[in-house]
Amino acid sequence: NAGVTQTPKFRILKIGQSMTLQCTQDMNHNYMYWYRQDPGMGLKLIYYSVGAGITDKGEVPNGYNVSRSTTEDFPLRLELAAPSQTSVYFCASSYSSGVYGYTFGSGTRLTVV
Amino acid sequence: AQTVTQSQPEMSVQEAETVTLSCTYDTSESNYYLFWYKQPPSRQMILVIRQEAYKQQNATENRFSVNFQKAAKSFSLKISDSQLGDTAMYFCAFRSFSYSINNAGNMLTFGGGTRLMVKP
Repeated sequence: NAGVTQTPKFRILKIGQSMTLQCTQDMNHNYMYWYRQDPGMGLKLIYYSVGAGITDKGEVPNGYNVSRSTTEDFPLRLELAAPSQTSVYFCASSYSSGVYGYTFGSGTRLTVV
Repeated sequence: AQTVTQSQPEMSVQEAETVTLSCTYDTSESNYYLFWYKQPPSRQMILVIRQEAYKQQNATENRFSVNFQKAAKSFSLKISDSQLGDTAMYFCAFRSFSYSINNAGNMLTFGGGTRLMVKP
């Protein structure tokens, strides 16, 4: 099983550009999440989804959008990139509501210049 | 909202020795779940160990064990017989027991991490 796959692994954006971080999982998990990890910091929740067609904001949603049209895919959209969005982004999924922990992707390192 | 604090930004240990990483959390709930995740230089987040707050027995996974002190809201990770491959960032995380699905507060909340270096 591939688990949780994120693409791309690295990306450099210019201020004001937009991009979509892709995330797909093959474990038939209903719950999916996007976190960002800033240097020396823990992970902060951006958005989450409890199933296809259902998404909700996390702790730091400003500047981002998500969609969940299928169980497998949960893309994260950055509109008008800003230097404050320079971070490592992790997608994760979980069986049920995550009481057994999450399965994480390998992350996307994004730099906005 | 819950908070998770890891007070040791960096630690080091000699190979084959034992090291303990600290984690404290703040919650008003009586039932919840606690986790330790490992993030090696590859950046992959790996679940190390899980504890259910309503179970008094401390969780163990091979060389990894926890000291769960519910009254003190403390959840430390002990790594025995440290190996070079244990070099990583370690994150403590909290999850509410609640199954309410439309509540971001019920998602995993992470501490700031402890960078562990195992020296040969």
